Amino acid sequence: SQQGEEDPQALSIQEGENATMNCSYKTSINNLQWYRQNSGRGLVHLILIRSNEREKHSGRLRVTLDTSKKSSSLLITASRAADTASYFCATDSFSGGYNKLIFGAGTRLAVHP
Amino acid sequence: KAGVTQTPRYLIKTRGQQVTLSCSPISGHRSVSWYQQTPGQGLQFLFEYFSETQRNKGNFPGRFSGRQFSNSRSEMNVSTLELGDSALYLCASSFRRSQETQYFGPGTRLLVL
Repeated sequence: SQQGEEDPQALSIQEGENATMNCSYKTSINNLQWYRQNSGRGLVHLILIRSNEREKHSGRLRVTLDTSKKSSSLLITASRAADTASYFCATDSFSGGYNKLIFGAGTRLAVHP
Repeated sequence: KAGVTQTPRYLIKTRGQQVTLSCSPISGHRSVSWYQQTPGQGLQFLFEYFSETQRNKGNFPGRFSGRQFSNSRSEMNVSTLELGDSALYLCASSFRRSQETQYFGPGTRLLVL
């Protein structure tokens, strides 16, 4: 079962526009992370936000976390064609005696020149 | 520092065969995690090794196994391959815990015929 679910599944925008992706999760977390994956390649870590943080910035990225709603959002401002990729949220989970990082299904972002 | 490396990058096997994939983590990282990525199931956690011991595991059958060596390099093995094992296998390393920031390798794309 997936802990994080991204919304929307796909997003198509023009260069210069902002892109917002949402992630919802089911159980309590210690932290939530966002990763980017270019087609068929490894994932690149973007940002980690801890459960006691509400907002975090990194360059053109802004992440918010609402633990009461069990949701997070990733905002990419002034998007570029190079931002075209899939974006995943990941949450830490403890079940069956094991810790693991659980990834959502991802949002496919296409930025058109 | 050199990034996470995975070998081989591409692999074609037939049903019933077995396969071994290799991962070299970032120098100094002691935690190595493995993930399977398929279009249907997304990114799924296989297992995590730390100091040569399996510390966490996901919900995969016993055909999937792994090990970690004293230099933190890790291997995963899949025995009796099935068509459904065709996937991108990703390795990720982190300093101490798999729930913190993970650094991913480029992946090994396995095709089972």
